[in-house]
Amino acid sequence: EAGVAQSPRYKIIEKRQSVAFWCNPISGHATLYWYQQILGQGPKLLIQFQNNGVVDDSQLPKDRFSAERLKGVDSTLKIQPAKLEDSAVYLCASSTISGGKNTGELFFGEGSRLTVL
Amino acid sequence: SQQGEEDPQALSIQEGENATMNCSYKTSINNLQWYRQNSGRGLVHLILIRSNEREKHSGRLRVTLDTSKKSSSLLITASRAADTASYFCATDRTGGFKTIFGAGTRLFVKA
Repeated sequence: EAGVAQSPRYKIIEKRQSVAFWCNPISGHATLYWYQQILGQGPKLLIQFQNNGVVDDSQLPKDRFSAERLKGVDSTLKIQPAKLEDSAVYLCASSTISGGKNTGELFFGEGSRLTVL
Repeated sequence: SQQGEEDPQALSIQEGENATMNCSYKTSINNLQWYRQNSGRGLVHLILIRSNEREKHSGRLRVTLDTSKKSSSLLITASRAADTASYFCATDRTGGFKTIFGAGTRLFVKA
């Protein structure tokens, strides 16, 4: 079974530039998550989709971050314009639903490391 | 905001010793999970314990959950150098949908 795919693995940009990250979850997983992980910290949830609807985006800085999940499959996270404090690893994860609830286990991709100069 | 807080922040032990990490959380939960993250990699799920369970085992891992104290512990027995990684607890809150992670414990196992 193929895992969660993310690209690019690394990206270096200047502040005020834009960047986009792509995620393809495990086939059949209804729930998709984007987490931001700053060096030395735990992952912070940015946005959670169930199929192609947003379940939670309360911690997404909506003035600069946007995310979409077209057709309930893969997803794109965009940052425009980027700030220095956006330097982090952006992790995508997916999970299944059973009995109408998330099963709990999240499967993570390898992450996209962003450096903003 | 972080739901879980791990303790200690960092732990260094010799190969063959046991490693114990603790996690405290603030609100009622449906389940608690532990994940491992090797340097520069994504997180890997280790074990999930539900709110009505008190202890769970998986290989060299033992997890306990005390809902009255809102705390959990992860014990790795007979540690190996390959166990060197960061370990995170994550909680699914009662009535909520999102999985919230703590700041993690960095474990270093010396060969």
